[in-house]
Amino acid sequence: ETGVTQSPTHLIKTRGQQVTLRCSSQSGHNTVSWYQQALGQGPQFIFQYYREEENGRGNFPPRFSGLQFPNYSSELNVNALELDDSALYLCASSLEGDGDEQFFGPGTRLTVL
Amino acid sequence: AQSVAQPEDQVNVAEGNPLTVKCTYSVSGNPYLFWYVQYPNRGLQFLLKYITGDNLVKGSYGFEAEFNKSQTSFHLKKPSALVSDSALYFCAVRDIAPNDMRFGAGTRLTVKP
Repeated sequence: ETGVTQSPTHLIKTRGQQVTLRCSSQSGHNTVSWYQQALGQGPQFIFQYYREEENGRGNFPPRFSGLQFPNYSSELNVNALELDDSALYLCASSLEGDGDEQFFGPGTRLTVL
Repeated sequence: AQSVAQPEDQVNVAEGNPLTVKCTYSVSGNPYLFWYVQYPNRGLQFLLKYITGDNLVKGSYGFEAEFNKSQTSFHLKKPSALVSDSALYFCAVRDIAPNDMRFGAGTRLTVKP
């Protein structure tokens, strides 16, 4: 069984640029959630995708967008990067159902200069 | 909207002593409650969850948590701490709507030999 993987591991961008982060879900999981974890804080929910459709969104602006593909892998896109977007971005996969635990990837560390 | 609070930023215990990491929650309906652990430069690892049933939930690595509805608490416990338990612990609550998971700010557990 393959766990959740994310790429790249680290990324450095400048203000105003765009970034795409990628996530491969755990085998058999059809739901992917994305979180932003700023330094010293808990993860903040960005959005969730279930079977290629957005299935819930946190308090993040529209410049945060996502996709889920037929194989249930996912992308997080952030446009017009701001300094405050610097954080660890975590992807988590789970099976359908609110009670299912989420399995997290190692994260992508994004630094915006 | 659902929320969780972890009142202690830091918990220090001696190896072999019992440990408790506190969590309180607020939800509009029935809570789905989770504990996760995060080691340095790693994603979150699932420890245990409460959905329904027995108030005492047993999880990975000898951890357990007690759900207390009247006190809206879900404290994480372990009878005998190990140095390797030193990590960052997050409590999380999930409500059916808007289908996202809310994390606490985290508690850093340090177990000293």
